[in-house]
Amino acid sequence: GQQVMQIPQYQHVQEGEDFTTYCNSSTTLSNIQWYKQRPGGHPVFLIQLVKSGEVKKQKRLTFQFGEAKKNSSLHITATQTTDVGTYFCAGQAGTYKYIFGTGTRLKVLA
Amino acid sequence: DGGITQSPKYLFRKEGQNVTLSCEQNLNHDAMYWYRQDPGQGLRLIYYSQIVNDFQKGDIAEGYSVSREKKESFPLTVTSAQKNPTAFYLCASIPWGTGTGYTGELFFGEGSRLTVL
Repeated sequence: GQQVMQIPQYQHVQEGEDFTTYCNSSTTLSNIQWYKQRPGGHPVFLIQLVKSGEVKKQKRLTFQFGEAKKNSSLHITATQTTDVGTYFCAGQAGTYKYIFGTGTRLKVLA
Repeated sequence: DGGITQSPKYLFRKEGQNVTLSCEQNLNHDAMYWYRQDPGQGLRLIYYSQIVNDFQKGDIAEGYSVSREKKESFPLTVTSAQKNPTAFYLCASIPWGTGTGYTGELFFGEGSRLTVL
């Protein structure tokens, strides 16, 4: 079946360093979403990308959707301790079906 | 306030027992989902439902059952056939739309943590 993989699985960074997580799908996606889950919490929506090659920014976060619509990335500039959590991508595989990536757990050391 | 309510938040079950997790939403959303999350892992799709009285299997449906008799409710039953049911279960919903303001966001409940003793 369809798989969505993320790398790295874990990332520890010093506060102020940059962070990037990559998402790769085995099939072409209609769109891709990114979520953040704090420890003990539930996923919270960050953004959706729809167009091939699309780039969107939210303050220190930059999201990119690949030209082939099979991969995506999330880049955080100058991480802060509030960025701690697990970041998931989720691809839409057909109407209504959303497949989540394996997630990247980010720890930020003060 | 509008949102998704999951109950119970914590549940303990003995082996061989069926348990039902509740998920109710008052957002008037069309589609609802159940995901399972194991410690340190991603979310895996169990079942999803696009409309009332219709639902589809996800990637790990074995040992689970659902119903969608009302638009606002999508309960999940974890049966005794599920070999390793201890996990964090998340319910989510999404409206159907393509107009201005539609973000495609999946709205999640707070989750139910099931432990099999």
